[in-house]
Amino acid sequence: AQTVTQSQPEMSVQEAETVTLSCTYDTSESNYYLFWYKQPPSRQMILVIRQEAYKQQNATENRFSVNFQKAAKSFSLKISDSQLGDTAMYFCAFMMDQTGANNLFFGTGTRLTVIP
Amino acid sequence: DSGVTQTPKHLITATGQRVTLRCSPRSGDLSVYWYQQSLDQGLQFLIQYYNGEERAKGNILERFSAQQFPDLHSELNLSSLELGDSALYFCASSVGTGVTGELFFGEGSRLTVL
Repeated sequence: AQTVTQSQPEMSVQEAETVTLSCTYDTSESNYYLFWYKQPPSRQMILVIRQEAYKQQNATENRFSVNFQKAAKSFSLKISDSQLGDTAMYFCAFMMDQTGANNLFFGTGTRLTVIP
Repeated sequence: DSGVTQTPKHLITATGQRVTLRCSPRSGDLSVYWYQQSLDQGLQFLIQYYNGEERAKGNILERFSAQQFPDLHSELNLSSLELGDSALYFCASSVGTGVTGELFFGEGSRLTVL
C-alpha cells in the first residue's frame, strides 16, 4: 500500500522569506508521480507542482521547487519569496504509474501561514 | 475555475437520512474521482469512474455508492448518514485513465450531519 506522510502539521514563515515543507512516502513501485497541492481558505485544491519519479531533475514552477530524493523516498517543497497569498494547507500526494487507476494518495497536510 | 462543478456547495441533514452529491467534470474529461476530506485531514480516495464504468475503489463505505451517467456527470449517494460522515466531499476529473498526472478538483460539497 502507498502511504504519504507529512510530519509538520503547521508552519509559519515571514513574508519574503523561504520555507520548506517536508513529505515522505512509502511505495514498492519504481515508477510514479508526486504532487504538491495547495488548499487556500476557499477550499479549492490547486496543483502547485508535480514530479515524475523517472526524472532526476527537480521540478520548479516560479517560486516553488522540490527536492526529490528517490532513494530516501522524500519529496519536499520549497517556497521562495513567500507571499501572503501562499497562506494555505499544502498537501503532498502520490500517484502510481498505472493505467486504469490513477487516483491520488494524499498526506494529512501542512498548514502554512505567511506572516506580514 | 477548474471547470469541475459540484452541487450542492453546502448540505445539512440529519442522521439516518440519504443525500446525493452531484459532479459535472471538465468538458472532455472521461474520468471522475470522489474524495472525502474530514476536518483537518487529508483527502481520502473513495472511488473512480471512467466513461461510465467503475475503475478503482478506495475506502468507500457500503452505505455509499456512486455512478457515472452517459453524459459523464457523476453522483455520489450517501445513505443511513452518521455524524462521522460530516466532511467535505470533492469531485475531480481527468482526461482519461492514463497517467496524465493532473486531476482537476471541484470546490467541494460540505456535508453536515446533525
